[in-house]
Amino acid sequence: DAGITQSPRHKVTETGTPVTLRCHQTENHRYMYWYRQDPGHGLRLIHYSYGVKDTDKGEVSDGYSVSRSKTEDFLLTLESATSSQTSVYFCATQGGGARNEQFFGPGTRLTVL
Amino acid sequence: TQLLEQSPQFLSIQEGENLTVYCNSSSVFSSLQWYRQEPGEGPVLLVTVVTGGEVKKLKRLTFQFGDARKDSSLHITAAQPGDTGLYLCAGDISSGSARQLTFGSGTQLTVLP
Repeated sequence: DAGITQSPRHKVTETGTPVTLRCHQTENHRYMYWYRQDPGHGLRLIHYSYGVKDTDKGEVSDGYSVSRSKTEDFLLTLESATSSQTSVYFCATQGGGARNEQFFGPGTRLTVL
Repeated sequence: TQLLEQSPQFLSIQEGENLTVYCNSSSVFSSLQWYRQEPGEGPVLLVTVVTGGEVKKLKRLTFQFGDARKDSSLHITAAQPGDTGLYLCAGDISSGSARQLTFGSGTQLTVLP
């Protein structure tokens, strides 16, 4: 257990509204990731961070932005939510060990109406 | 297109039966991981395989990494209802400072009592 929490755990919002999801870790892990999980697609990487203020795009980054001002916090923002962004969002961390093992948070279920 | 193809997508078996889940790719990975995910939770790492041909055992679960490091399998002997869950394979596609995994779409296993 890498001490990863996500908030909120559930959210329902309307199309066009901004949404921010928060990931908080207590393990001082360098790397943090945001994934989305949809049926039939497994986990797809949205954005990741390799240090404070160092972020990069993943496979499905359109419509999402991230920020990391502290080691322990990684925020995912949907500037203007769309129904296609209805999904379960997972945050993960990795300590930088040679085996690239990731630890996942409990997830946030987001519904965009 | 999924870089890692998992099969089967769904598997429903009786308690006591054996099963194998496959994870295939045309790409070579420096390591491959297997995760298990239960409903409402994030994935949890089961094992990491690194060397081509490597076999690892975790109680009734046997993991194998292909000789060419392009594929992997998970074999469960005498499955139990507690093995029910979503099994995900993930290949290491890290380069430079980018430490990344690419995930298969998952195998949903149901073990019936």
